[in-house]
Amino acid sequence: DQQVKQNSPSLSVQEGRISILNCDYTNSMFDYFLWYKKYPAEGPTFLISISSIKDKNEDGRFTVFLNKSAKHLSLHIVPSQPGDSAVYFCAAAGGTSYGKLTFGQGTILTVHP
Amino acid sequence: DVKVTQSSRYLVKRTGEKVFLECVQDMDHENMFWYRQDPGLGLRLIYFSYDVKMKEKGDIPEGYSVSREKKERFSLILESASTNQTSMYLCASSHEITDTQYFGPGTRLTVL
Repeated sequence: DQQVKQNSPSLSVQEGRISILNCDYTNSMFDYFLWYKKYPAEGPTFLISISSIKDKNEDGRFTVFLNKSAKHLSLHIVPSQPGDSAVYFCAAAGGTSYGKLTFGQGTILTVHP
Repeated sequence: DVKVTQSSRYLVKRTGEKVFLECVQDMDHENMFWYRQDPGLGLRLIYFSYDVKMKEKGDIPEGYSVSREKKERFSLILESASTNQTSMYLCASSHEITDTQYFGPGTRLTVL
């Protein structure tokens, strides 16, 4: 049972344009959401997070939007840069203790110069 | 800066061998996690630990065990490696009151 889903396995974007990565979840107990970025042969690095009491969180070029009623979140990268090319994972937490995260399958983002 | 290190970046083992993967974190985090990452499946939780000598099964614990004798160290053990355990193994840690996990660089394990 996939509680966190990233339905787009890949996304290709031109440098300077906006990248939008999407994530859906089914568990209404989730109340904290994170995005991680992963380069090949490296561990994931934390990018940005959002609590369910907010609907938007911004950090530089990265903005995460949360739509609780639709159980949907998205990550916007503006402007996209070639160095943003990586696998992006969304993750969700809540309803359980010990900081356990549930991850999506990942979306491979390719930003073309 | 949080630092999570893993004992090996690349490992090749034979079917039936016992395999130890070690993870060390230097931020005094209470929680530690082991995941495996496979294409199209994302990160799947194998085991986690919220305190020394405590462990909890994740989503795919079969064929694995763990050990946490010291707070900073969390070991993943493959009792008898099989080819379907060929994967990227990732260790992570987090503070008890936050959900942000910090990951190590990963170990690419190949079982022949």
